[in-house]
Amino acid sequence: AQRVTQPEKLLSVFKGAPVELKCNYSYSGSPELFWYVQYSRQRLQLLLRHISRESIKGFTADLNKGETSFHLKKPFAQEEDSAMYYCALGTVNKFYFGSGTKLNVKP
Amino acid sequence: GAVVSQHPSWVICKSGTSVKIECRSLDFQATTMFWYRQFPKQSLMLMATSNEGSKATYEQGVEKDKFLINHASLTLSTLTVTSAHPEDSSFYICSARRGLLERTSVWEQFFGPGTRLTVL
Repeated sequence: AQRVTQPEKLLSVFKGAPVELKCNYSYSGSPELFWYVQYSRQRLQLLLRHISRESIKGFTADLNKGETSFHLKKPFAQEEDSAMYYCALGTVNKFYFGSGTKLNVKP
Repeated sequence: GAVVSQHPSWVICKSGTSVKIECRSLDFQATTMFWYRQFPKQSLMLMATSNEGSKATYEQGVEKDKFLINHASLTLSTLTVTSAHPEDSSFYICSARRGLLERTSVWEQFFGPGTRLTVL
């Protein structure tokens, strides 16, 4: 079975503080992992994917197969980062989404 | 590019009526579209996979007679909630699959803005 777990429903940090949104997965095959972001009243959009090993808007995420994790990190949070963040596991046929973490960056 | 639209963006209907939601890929052809349901403060739950020219594939627990899906063209999929009841009130999101993500076997998905359904 495939499953994505995001243990934190809400994460509140102050502007400039580091942030880490946790994601753990279970999958029997080779995982393709993604982070999606949903800003207030906007559609879901792709933030980054593990295969690209890129940094988008200052966010990075490293796939740790040993710990089956794909945590999203940013060293200095900004107020505009406040949004819902979803970790997703992509397979050939479908995507599986975690329950989401609401990030609230306080001024 | 890669824009997906949904119509309507919100709808209110009476219990027992049927509601149709459209999902369109505006600038690309999508042989496959997905329908998700999102409850407040919860994740997206995949309801069904819609394939152009063939029957939809429903996830376990989703009533196919309740949620009718039609994918008649490469740019349009529709979800009809039949005989809607208050428990069907939710946020319905569609996504369209465009092409394989580079260096993966996974298809890139683009999401529509969602449709808020409220059944009175």
